[in-house]
Amino acid sequence: QVLLQESGPGLVKPSQTLALTCTVSGGSITSGTYYWNWIRQPAGKGLEWIGRYYPNRNNNYNPSLKSRVTISEDSSKNQFSLMLTSVTAADTAMYFCARGREPTAFDYWGQGILVTVTS
Amino acid sequence: SYELTQPPSVSVSPGQTANITCSGDFLGDKYVCWYQQRPGQSPVLVIYQDTKRPSGIPERFSGSNSGNTATLTITGPQAMDEADYYCQAWDDSTASFGGGTKLTVL
Repeated sequence: QVLLQESGPGLVKPSQTLALTCTVSGGSITSGTYYWNWIRQPAGKGLEWIGRYYPNRNNNYNPSLKSRVTISEDSSKNQFSLMLTSVTAADTAMYFCARGREPTAFDYWGQGILVTVTS
Repeated sequence: SYELTQPPSVSVSPGQTANITCSGDFLGDKYVCWYQQRPGQSPVLVIYQDTKRPSGIPERFSGSNSGNTATLTITGPQAMDEADYYCQAWDDSTASFGGGTKLTVL
């Protein structure tokens, strides 16, 4: 069974960098069969895809966030990470990591981590 | 970015059929997925590649996609199906979600 678990600070100050990690168990993130995503959801609002790590391919990012986002991986720990720079209150949200399966589906999700941007 | 439009809410009685639509330009040319999200929980994939159900998803969930509209159909919805539903598609290596539809089972 595939499990994803988000971790990181729940509070980030404005203008600083949000950094989260997703630890995957039950499968290797370097397998070319799947890709690994970050998705967020502000309270009471809809889902927003942030970007993905795609083994052996270029990463892809939401154009609206691309200038501030970096997704990287640590295969030795079977983890992938999100960095979002210059955060504002608008970045306050529940952040999910999710596995993507070709051609299109997000089939496994983490439980999510709430990140609040506040001074 | 690619825009997907869903009705904010749909209400249905248990004996009826719920249809949740998702509209986008040339959506029928893309694969559409649907996710169910109950309050306080992570989304769950209920339909992928327009019409396919993952293992463990009840047969009362089905999907279709043609033209500019994809539809999630729940036949004989149960109280446990009351949730938010999101459609999702890819366009130019970017994933887009619809705004979500709150399904109420009366």
